[in-house]
Amino acid sequence: DQQVKQNSPSLSVQEGRISILNCDYTNSMFDYFLWYKKYPAEGPTFLISISSIKDKNEDGRFTVFLNKSAKHLSLHIVPSQPGDSAVYFCAASALSSNTGKLIFGQGTTLQVKP
Amino acid sequence: DAGVTQSPTHLIKTRGQQVTLRCSPKSGHDTVSWYQQALGQGPQFIFQYYEEEERQRGNFPDRFSGHQFPNYSSELNVNALLLGDSALYLCASSYGNGDTEAFFGQGTRLTVV
Repeated sequence: DQQVKQNSPSLSVQEGRISILNCDYTNSMFDYFLWYKKYPAEGPTFLISISSIKDKNEDGRFTVFLNKSAKHLSLHIVPSQPGDSAVYFCAASALSSNTGKLIFGQGTTLQVKP
Repeated sequence: DAGVTQSPTHLIKTRGQQVTLRCSPKSGHDTVSWYQQALGQGPQFIFQYYEEEERQRGNFPDRFSGHQFPNYSSELNVNALLLGDSALYLCASSYGNGDTEAFFGQGTRLTVV
């Protein structure tokens, strides 16, 4: 039972353009969502998060949008840079249920071409 | 300020053996979670330790056990290793209740042959 899904295994964009990574979830108890970036041979690095009381959170080039009715979130990277090439994981948590564990999607490999 | 450190970085074990992986959390963090990441998949939650007790557990068999020490460091033990246990094992640390902005170590790559 995959509660968090990233349906696009890979995405390729040109440097300077927008990258949009998508994530869907099924569990309505999730109330906190995070995006992590992972380079080979490194652990995941936290990028940005959003609480379910918001529909948008922005941090520099990274913006996360949350659509609770659709159980969908997306990460926008503008402008994309070659250094952004990595695997991106969406994760969800049910903080209000006092469960801190993260449920991850399968990941999307982003390639930003110079 | 050291982040989350894991040891060893790589490990090769034989089927049926036992293995212990170690994790030191980021300074100031008191909660440690362990995740298993199989090739091509996202990390899967194994369990979480807080105040030296297992607070939550994912869908992993009892062959997977852990421990947290008074200094908040943690160990993951896996008994009777199977070929399917080959994966990247990630440790994440955070403060207090929940994994908001959990910080991950670089992982231990376990290969079972």
